[in-house]
Amino acid sequence: DAKTTQPNSMESNEEEPVHLPCNHSTISGTDYIHWYRQLPSQGPEYVIHGLTSNVNNRMASLAIAEDRKSSTLILHRATLRDAAVYYCIPSSGGGADGLTFGKGTHLIIQP
Amino acid sequence: NAGVTQTPKFQVLKTGQSMTLQCAQDMNHNSMYWYRQDPGMGLRLIYYSASEGTTDKGEVPNGYNVSRLNKREFSLRLESAAPSQTSVYFCASSVSGGARSSDTQYFGPGTRLTVL
Repeated sequence: DAKTTQPNSMESNEEEPVHLPCNHSTISGTDYIHWYRQLPSQGPEYVIHGLTSNVNNRMASLAIAEDRKSSTLILHRATLRDAAVYYCIPSSGGGADGLTFGKGTHLIIQP
Repeated sequence: NAGVTQTPKFQVLKTGQSMTLQCAQDMNHNSMYWYRQDPGMGLRLIYYSASEGTTDKGEVPNGYNVSRLNKREFSLRLESAAPSQTSVYFCASSVSGGARSSDTQYFGPGTRLTVL
């Protein structure tokens, strides 16, 4: 299973960009990189995923290193609603057919 | 379109009691999952069902049973609850293939279970 390393917590100011890093040095060539987030007292929600090239959607951008050993989730303009725990999950990390959630990065947004 | 719904939202049990957590999805997804989340931790997979009629163990299946009642519903049963099963339980669904594909998993709001 691919192991991931994320900072325990990060802090940012509202309306500024946020870059959330993730190291996944043991990722295999066919693993997708998924990002989910969990707002307080809620279930996780999908943010973005990618395989090799950078990806954009309405919520965020995902920058994947050329060697795929790391990736960065980019929130272009953080709002207070983006305060959550962010999980980086390589797709084979769940064994069976599930997702393996580490402890993630607790993102704190200051007004 | 309600997505993934779970009942109940909260439950308190005494050690040894049994209960069933219910989960339903209205997105016509093939795969469904049960996870648990302990305080300060990430989610761990208990059981999953890749398609109607099939179920498989995840990382932490001991003490639980599951039933894939039909395509929409996937229930989790605790036959004899223990304090170690105090946790928040999340149900999820995906079109198919779960983490081994690019499929997105959609999660319910969770059931907060306390076993005394």
